[in-house]
Amino acid sequence: QQNVQQSPESLIVPEGARTSLNCTFSDSASQYFWWYRQHSGKAPKALMSIFSNGEKEEGRFTIHLNKASLHFSLHIRDSQPSDSALYLCAVASSGSWQLIFGSGTQLTVMP
Amino acid sequence: EAAVTQSPRNKVTVTGGNVTLSCRQTNSHNYMYWYRQDTGHGLRLIHYSYGAGNLQIGDVPDGYKATRTTQEDFFLLLELASPSQTSLYFCASSDVGSSYEQYFGPGTRLTVL
Repeated sequence: QQNVQQSPESLIVPEGARTSLNCTFSDSASQYFWWYRQHSGKAPKALMSIFSNGEKEEGRFTIHLNKASLHFSLHIRDSQPSDSALYLCAVASSGSWQLIFGSGTQLTVMP
Repeated sequence: EAAVTQSPRNKVTVTGGNVTLSCRQTNSHNYMYWYRQDTGHGLRLIHYSYGAGNLQIGDVPDGYKATRTTQEDFFLLLELASPSQTSLYFCASSDVGSSYEQYFGPGTRLTVL
């Protein structure tokens, strides 16, 4: 059974800072790796994904994946107060249509 | 963008009561999911389905039934609600070959007194 862990549980950063969120997984056969963002009182919404080792950048957001170390991360450059939200990582295993979610990192960006 | 709707948005019931949560998606997605979200636990999968009449057991199924009546509609049933089922419930859908991206509804806040 896939085990997905996130760290830290919560994070407070000043506006303009670079923020790093971490996710570890247990199944080395995992295929797709997602970050979802959930603003307070809203539904989770897919932010970005990666399926091969390396980095993927979209605007201020970068995902880094290292399958050998069972780790992927989300980096936010020039953090904004509007980035304040719960960030959920999710992993899809081979042969399954399930996404296994981590418990989330609550990010607060202070103006 | 994929559209998933849920009803009701809020529900209060008493212990032992019957509750049905409804979900509809209008994007012809094959897969639909029911999750519960509790502080410190992220999203936990209750049941999911890959088409009308199909039901798959998720990770936390105890106390829940589900039924997929059409490709669009997926229902979650709590036949003897307990206070431990007080939670925020999300429905989601996804399509085959979409890199597993799931689209979520707005959620239903359920309180069992």
